[in-house]
Amino acid sequence: GNSVTQMEGPVTLSEEAFLTINCTYTATGYPSLFWYVQYPGEGLQLLLKATKADDKGSNKGFEATYRKETTSFHLEKGSVQVSDSAVYFCALREVSGGYNKLIFGAGTRLAVHP
Amino acid sequence: NAGVTQTPKFRILKIGQSMTLQCAQDMNHNYMYWYRQDPGMGLKLIYYSVGAGITDKGEVPNGYNVSRSTTEDFPLRLELAAPSQTSVYFCASSFGQGGNTIYFGEGSWLTVV
Repeated sequence: GNSVTQMEGPVTLSEEAFLTINCTYTATGYPSLFWYVQYPGEGLQLLLKATKADDKGSNKGFEATYRKETTSFHLEKGSVQVSDSAVYFCALREVSGGYNKLIFGAGTRLAVHP
Repeated sequence: NAGVTQTPKFRILKIGQSMTLQCAQDMNHNYMYWYRQDPGMGLKLIYYSVGAGITDKGEVPNGYNVSRSTTEDFPLRLELAAPSQTSVYFCASSFGQGGNTIYFGEGSWLTVV
């Protein structure tokens, strides 16, 4: 079945460092891909998405490019802030029996220190 | 905008007790979902619904029941609570299929002791 694999955390960075969180997927066809962010004590919020190969999703300084050849959707940010500390989830949209569902990775916790 | 609203936010249950987690959305979304999130894990789909009167099982439905009598509401029922159901529960909704955004509620923290 379809699955998503993320790099294990926690990832600890200093403010203004470069961030990469790796995400690879296994799927039939070309699913839509998503990054969700979960701040402490809150629900998940959509951060960015890409719906086809070579699409780049971007939001709040974060970017991720849909790479069909490597089945990857790595999340990057050039300069992280303390306020970016959260858990980040990579997900793909699966269409099964005509219905669409999200398949999530295990999440990667990011801690940014001043 | 309320979006997706879940209640209660926190609850402690004793083994064998029953309870219902409430979920309501005001976006006229046809799709609604219940996920659970265990520590250090991604979200697992419990049940989902594609419209009023239609529900289907997800990856981990055992021990839960749902109903969808209206477009707005999608309650999740735990009949006989077990410690394995200690988790954070998220309700979500979306409109249609394809790349449409799924919106999540803020979560319900449930502990079974």
